[in-house]
Amino acid sequence: DMKVTQMPRYLIKRMGENVLLECGQDMSHETMYWYRQDPGLGLQLIYISYDVDSNSEGDIPKGYRVSRKKREHFSLILDSAKTNQTSVYFCASSFGSSAETLYFGSGTRLTVL
Amino acid sequence: GEKVEQHESTLSVREGDSAVINCTYTDTASSYFPWYKQEAGKSLHFVIDIRSNVDRKQSQRLTVLLDKKAKRFSLHITATQPEDSAIYFCAAPSGSWQLIFGSGTQLTVMP
Repeated sequence: DMKVTQMPRYLIKRMGENVLLECGQDMSHETMYWYRQDPGLGLQLIYISYDVDSNSEGDIPKGYRVSRKKREHFSLILDSAKTNQTSVYFCASSFGSSAETLYFGSGTRLTVL
Repeated sequence: GEKVEQHESTLSVREGDSAVINCTYTDTASSYFPWYKQEAGKSLHFVIDIRSNVDRKQSQRLTVLLDKKAKRFSLHITATQPEDSAIYFCAAPSGSWQLIFGSGTQLTVMP
């Protein structure tokens, strides 16, 4: 079953708290992504991971960091969350080393108060 | 880097009519143009793509047209149905690793 799983689906945090968003995939995809979606802005890439411990900044990495210790797991960490990080976060994965078909998780709606 | 502009932020059509969503891109080296669909409250999923070696690709009621000279590609949906209502995103690659997405078009199919 080809699936990208994100946890949690909804999360409310206070400004300054740490946030951990988790993503898993069961397709042994090498490449994984974290995007955020804001109205009118489409999807903005935060980080790409090419494989275990091989990560690269996307277009908007500031305020975020990632961790990939196993191929099937990719975490997004917000240290000291800010209100402007309120958004919907999507994890995605793709086969191989190119931005071909992306498989998306169901998203995490994060609210930072 | 690549920039993708999606021209229609919203589009309303009557059930059974056709819908067209247009996108432009900036990088002449781009060779792969996928479209993704996001139904209300759900995630995105791939619907169709086109590569630069062709200028037209059809899959059932969906057709993608590519005009490399104008750096423009479009998604055509014929005989629209209520289940076609969704946000549609076009995308183009930036380098080998990254997809740049357009801002999305909210398509509403009215009965």
